[in-house]
Amino acid sequence: GAVVSQHPSRVICKSGTSVKIECRSLDFQATTMFWYRQFPKQSLMLMATSNEGSKATYEQGVEKDKFLINHASLTLSTLTVTSAHPEDSSFYICSARDPASGGVGDTQYFGPGTRLTVL
Amino acid sequence: SQKIEQNSEALNIQEGKTATLTCNYTNYSPAYLQWYRQDPGRGPVFLLLIRENEKEKRKERLKVTFDTTLKQSLFHITASQPADSATYLCALQTGANNLFFGTGTRLTVIP
Repeated sequence: GAVVSQHPSRVICKSGTSVKIECRSLDFQATTMFWYRQFPKQSLMLMATSNEGSKATYEQGVEKDKFLINHASLTLSTLTVTSAHPEDSSFYICSARDPASGGVGDTQYFGPGTRLTVL
Repeated sequence: SQKIEQNSEALNIQEGKTATLTCNYTNYSPAYLQWYRQDPGRGPVFLLLIRENEKEKRKERLKVTFDTTLKQSLFHITASQPADSATYLCALQTGANNLFFGTGTRLTVIP
């Protein structure tokens, strides 16, 4: 199946700093990628949809100026958490849709996630 | 309000038995329903997808049913093994980009 990678897998930063997380589709081109956030014992919540070559679409309640998304190529999307605070500590997961999946449903392939801890 | 509820937060089952996980939803009209496996500290892994007009889908030891009248999906793992221990998530898809997840059921298969 399609493979999606994320980097870094784990990051610890000080409050007020910015953190960039990369999401790559390794063996397919993804025009659309998704960023999710998961707090302990809670479900994955969609933050934004990242479209190659255009602006990201943010879900209600997600600050676009705080969570900057750049989808510069068909295999790379980045999420930058700006001026991070302890409440931003969470598990961030990206996913990508493989167009070659034949359009059956919306089979999304997920990355391994990035654990962000803001001190 | 919209809700996706998975029957229990945790389920323990003896090895070799069939595990049955439940996903109930309200105020959604999903075109597809998907099941994922998530191991601790990892991203979800896609298992099965079932369309709204399908009643049942199978893949090896996995079986999924989808009842749009009851607004419920059942996920079965037959001949369960300790390696099946993980959190299982159901997800509803209502549109091209709209995938909504339940909170998951943590399954433990006891040897």
